[in-house]
Amino acid sequence: EAQVTQNPRYLITVTGKKLTVTCSQNMNHEYMSWYRQDPGLGLRQIYYSMNVEVTDKGDVPEGYKVSRKEKRNFPLILESPSPNQTSLYFCASRLEYRGYETDTQYFGPGTRLTVL
Amino acid sequence: GQNIDQPTEMTATEGAIVQINCTYQTSGFNGLFWYQQHAGEAPTFLSYNVLDGLEEKGRFSSFLSRSKGYSYLLLKELQMKDSASYLCAVRDSYGQNFVFGPGTRLSVLP
Repeated sequence: EAQVTQNPRYLITVTGKKLTVTCSQNMNHEYMSWYRQDPGLGLRQIYYSMNVEVTDKGDVPEGYKVSRKEKRNFPLILESPSPNQTSLYFCASRLEYRGYETDTQYFGPGTRLTVL
Repeated sequence: GQNIDQPTEMTATEGAIVQINCTYQTSGFNGLFWYQQHAGEAPTFLSYNVLDGLEEKGRFSSFLSRSKGYSYLLLKELQMKDSASYLCAVRDSYGQNFVFGPGTRLSVLP
């Protein structure tokens, strides 16, 4: 089954404790991205990757890191989480970044992160 | 700059028709997407417009006017399961990034 998976689905942590949220897709997609979703603000892009070893900042990259060492995986790293990073996080992938026609994104199930 | 506006909430009755509007001002444009998102779940793709006009897919239709920076999603024969948030998103000129609106929460009442 074609899918995007994220782990963990739920996480409660404390300020300053490094964490990683994993994202994996099995569709051989080139393009992957991370979003956070907050009430009233919609989905905002954190980082994206157009292919292995190619990453770039989105609209809200501060406090986050990413890496793309393999095509299927795109982990999101919070080196020193703070309470303002409490949010719902979605990973997404699509076939290729140049965006042919109806090349839409496929979203993972989401990770709800709470930073105390 | 990038700005996408949608109404925050809408309410409609089962069996009725509802139109959800989206206006956008973005630095580039390479397509407008509508997604449906049920509470606590991931967004799922509904429709796509890149040229002006109406695209119909069953009970859902989406319209685009690029000159006006305007789109709408039309939902017909509303069902209770259509209660969800509807997200409007614009893809930039290079096809790399999506900018999302805040979403419209639709409640369908019996």
